[in-house]
Amino acid sequence: SQQGEEDPQALSIQEGENATMNCSYKTSINNLQWYRQNSGRGLVHLILIRSNEREKHSGRLRVTLDTSKKSSSLLITASRAADTASYFCATDEGAGANNLFFGTGTRLTVIP
Amino acid sequence: DAGVIQSPRHEVTEMGQEVTLRCKPISGHDYLFWYRQTMMRGLELLIYFNNNVPIDDSGMPEDRFSAKMPNASFSTLKIQPSEPRDSAVYFCASSSTGVGYTFGSGTRLTVV
Repeated sequence: SQQGEEDPQALSIQEGENATMNCSYKTSINNLQWYRQNSGRGLVHLILIRSNEREKHSGRLRVTLDTSKKSSSLLITASRAADTASYFCATDEGAGANNLFFGTGTRLTVIP
Repeated sequence: DAGVIQSPRHEVTEMGQEVTLRCKPISGHDYLFWYRQTMMRGLELLIYFNNNVPIDDSGMPEDRFSAKMPNASFSTLKIQPSEPRDSAVYFCASSSTGVGYTFGSGTRLTVV
C-alpha cells in the first residue's frame, strides 16, 4: 500500500531543542502533507509540499521532500511543551488522486 | 466556519445494535472522507466521496458498513450490526482539490 512510515516512532526532547521526524513512502505522489494530532483530538493540517518542491517553511516548521528517495522530513525548531503530540505524514497516490494514506505517526514529547 | 462537525462525540452500544455516525463537512469542500483510527491499525481510509458520489469504498471492512452522502452538507456512516471489533475512533474529513484536509473531532465508538 501507499501508507507512509514515520521514523522514529517516539521522540522525547527538552523544550527549546529541535525535533526532526522522517517519513518514507512507496510510490509516486502529487503532494505530501504533515498533520498533528493532540491526544483525543482530530488531526490538524500543518503543511503541504508538492512533488515539484524540495523545501517549505511555515513558522517554526520546515519540511523537506526528496522524491528520488521517496522521503520527507519535518523539523520543528525551538520546540515548546505545546508541541507535544503525534505527527503524521500523509501521501496521495499521484495521478490526480485526492485520497490520503497516513503513516503510523511519531509521538513527540517535549519536556518543559 | 465551524469546521467539520461530527456527532455524536461518544457512542457506547451493545453488540448487534445499529450505529449511525454523522458528519457535516465544510461548506464548499467537494471531497469527504471517513477514516477509522485504532492503536493496532492506525488511520485507515474507509471511503471517500467527491461531489457527493462515492469514489472508493475499498477500505470499508465488510458489508456491515455503509456510507451515504445525500447532499453536499451531510454524510453518514452506518454499522449494522455492530461488533466489539468495530470499537475505534471514527473521523470525518473534508477538503478541496490540492489542499489539506480538515478533520472533525471524531466519534469514539465503543461496542460492548
